[in-house]
Amino acid sequence: DTAVSQTPKYLVTQMGNDKSIKCEQNLGHDTMYWYKQDSKKFLKIMFSYNNKELIINETVPNRFSPKSPDKAHLNLHINSLELGDSAVYFCASSQVIGTSGGATGELFFGEGSRLTVL
Amino acid sequence: QKEVEQDPGPLSVPEGAIVSLNCTYSNSAFQYFMWYRQYSRKGPELLMYTYSSGNKEDGRFTAQVDKSSKYISLFIRDSQPSDSATYLCAMSDNAGKSTFGDGTTLTVKP
Repeated sequence: DTAVSQTPKYLVTQMGNDKSIKCEQNLGHDTMYWYKQDSKKFLKIMFSYNNKELIINETVPNRFSPKSPDKAHLNLHINSLELGDSAVYFCASSQVIGTSGGATGELFFGEGSRLTVL
Repeated sequence: QKEVEQDPGPLSVPEGAIVSLNCTYSNSAFQYFMWYRQYSRKGPELLMYTYSSGNKEDGRFTAQVDKSSKYISLFIRDSQPSDSATYLCAMSDNAGKSTFGDGTTLTVKP
């Protein structure tokens, strides 16, 4: 059983379109994240949700809207896609978190969703 | 200046070599130090985790933390072709603010 699964794995779309990525974890963790990894492998946190509540929003354009219907699911919707949005988006979860809601322990990552905007 | 600087690589070594991967950091609040391994087209997976200065060993892997110098290292002994991957250092403070290094891509040649 995959611990953190995200769909789709690959997305190719035109500028200006809207797209969504879905994530599910079966680890029983309370906290889930979206990370963005650029072409140079730099991983940067975008959002963190703890038990359906947004706790970290790292200065991400408001074209990006996360939604957590329950603590096992975290989705990411992106409006009006731009060329610079091309990246790999990773969903992650953790159980051990610090006072601001970020992970102080192990992060469990999904396999990533590779978004290409043409 | 970035909070976390990782030796950029790429690194290419022959099988059996000892590999040293390094990161420096500037934020004294970082308390938790991790190394993740990321295979091509996969998500990062935790390799080593430590929260104190000193060495931690797990099989062929040794993580070293020197908080006074703000320096962490990962050593791989007897490197294998299966160790070929990108290695990411990561660190976080008590609040959970975590930062990743840029990653070092390692190739171990048979």
